[in-house]
Amino acid sequence: QVQLMESGGGVVQPGRSLRLSCTASGFTFNIYAMHWVRQAPGKGLEWVALISYDGINKYFPDSVKGRFTISRDNSKNTLFLQMNSLRVEDTAVYYCAKSAKGSYRDAFDIWGPGTVVTVSS
Amino acid sequence: EIVLTQSPGTLSLSPGERATLSCRPSQTVSSNYLAWYQQKPGQAPRLLIYGASSRATGIPDRFSGSGSGTDFTLTISRLEPEDFAVYYCQQYGSSYTFGQGTKLEIK
Repeated sequence: QVQLMESGGGVVQPGRSLRLSCTASGFTFNIYAMHWVRQAPGKGLEWVALISYDGINKYFPDSVKGRFTISRDNSKNTLFLQMNSLRVEDTAVYYCAKSAKGSYRDAFDIWGPGTVVTVSS
Repeated sequence: EIVLTQSPGTLSLSPGERATLSCRPSQTVSSNYLAWYQQKPGQAPRLLIYGASSRATGIPDRFSGSGSGTDFTLTISRLEPEDFAVYYCQQYGSSYTFGQGTKLEIK
């Protein structure tokens, strides 16, 4: 069964750091680009990060560039999101998502259930 | 950045009726890199349509996508009770952006 499962969410103070993980199962993880997407409470979806299948290429929107980094360990079928200098506006459910056919120009066909990040003093 | 505008914001219909949801990008979406997702409360989004008109695996044929350029449509031919949810369009031709969503509610 193709599955993604996020972990690592929690409550953190502004300016602090948090690292999210996403464990994949049921598919060949190391041939697919992977993404992080977030959803603030009561709001829509926002793409947060992309990493290529081999971990070499990484892309971010301006809203998180320089603060968030993405990485992967293909030997452990795990995706990571390192979030530094967190802001109140980073509060959201964070989803990891799989690229449907492996490349960058793909829809996101599998999503994890999400992990909640709350940034508050 | 390509901004996606979805309409209507809320659509009130009854089971068995036809639903038509619109997504209008601020610029042409190259190669029809346009997807539709369904999201129910407390759940992750589910991919319905990719490439503007191709159904994802396991999606019933009452869901169909159409359009090109700057005008895309998701049609649900006969609404089932489980179809009432929020629907998002997404473009993946130039970075990745999502529309603000259309809430499909029971009338």
